Amino acid sequence: EAQVTQNPRYLITVTGKKLTVTCSQNMNHEYMSWYRQDPGLGLRQIYYSMNVEVTDKGDVPEGYKVSRKEKRNFPLILESPSPNQTSLYFCASSPRDGAYEQYFGPGTRLTVT
Amino acid sequence: GESVGLHLPTLSVQEGDNSIINCAYSNSASDYFIWYKQESGKGPQFIIDIRSNMDKRQGQRVTVLLNKTVKHLSLQIAATQPGDSAVYFCAEIASGGSYIPTFGRGTSLIVHP
Repeated sequence: EAQVTQNPRYLITVTGKKLTVTCSQNMNHEYMSWYRQDPGLGLRQIYYSMNVEVTDKGDVPEGYKVSRKEKRNFPLILESPSPNQTSLYFCASSPRDGAYEQYFGPGTRLTVT
Repeated sequence: GESVGLHLPTLSVQEGDNSIINCAYSNSASDYFIWYKQESGKGPQFIIDIRSNMDKRQGQRVTVLLNKTVKHLSLQIAATQPGDSAVYFCAEIASGGSYIPTFGRGTSLIVHP
């Protein structure tokens, strides 16, 4: 089944404790991206990647890192999480670039206390 | 479920009615538009897209209309069903730019049986 998977689905952590949210897609898509979704706001892009070893900042990159060592994986890293990073995070992939429909993962609910 | 639907405009309809969900976009350079559906606890799911060289596109039970003059997009759902209950939001992309999509806040559609 073609899909985007994220792990973990739920995570509660404390301020300053490094964490990684994994994202994997099995559709051989070149483009992958990370979004955060907060109540009352639209999805906001954190980082995107056009292909392996090519990453770029989105609208809200502060406090996040990403890597794209393999085509299928695009982990999101929070080196020192803070409470304002409490949010719902989505990974997405697309066959070419952001100008095409994106396939979203199921989401990761992160709470930073 | 997730609190995505909080603070959003809400459209309540009866099963079998036609629904119209509206979206105003901001960037006159945007040339690609997508409608997504997000059910509670799930990631956004592609519904239909339209490019700026068109003003109407039809899918299965859905129609998207684009009015570039007033920067307005609408999604029409025919014979709305309870399974259509979700948050719907539009995304705009300027493909000649950074390819970073801008998402609307969304509209919560509630379908009463």
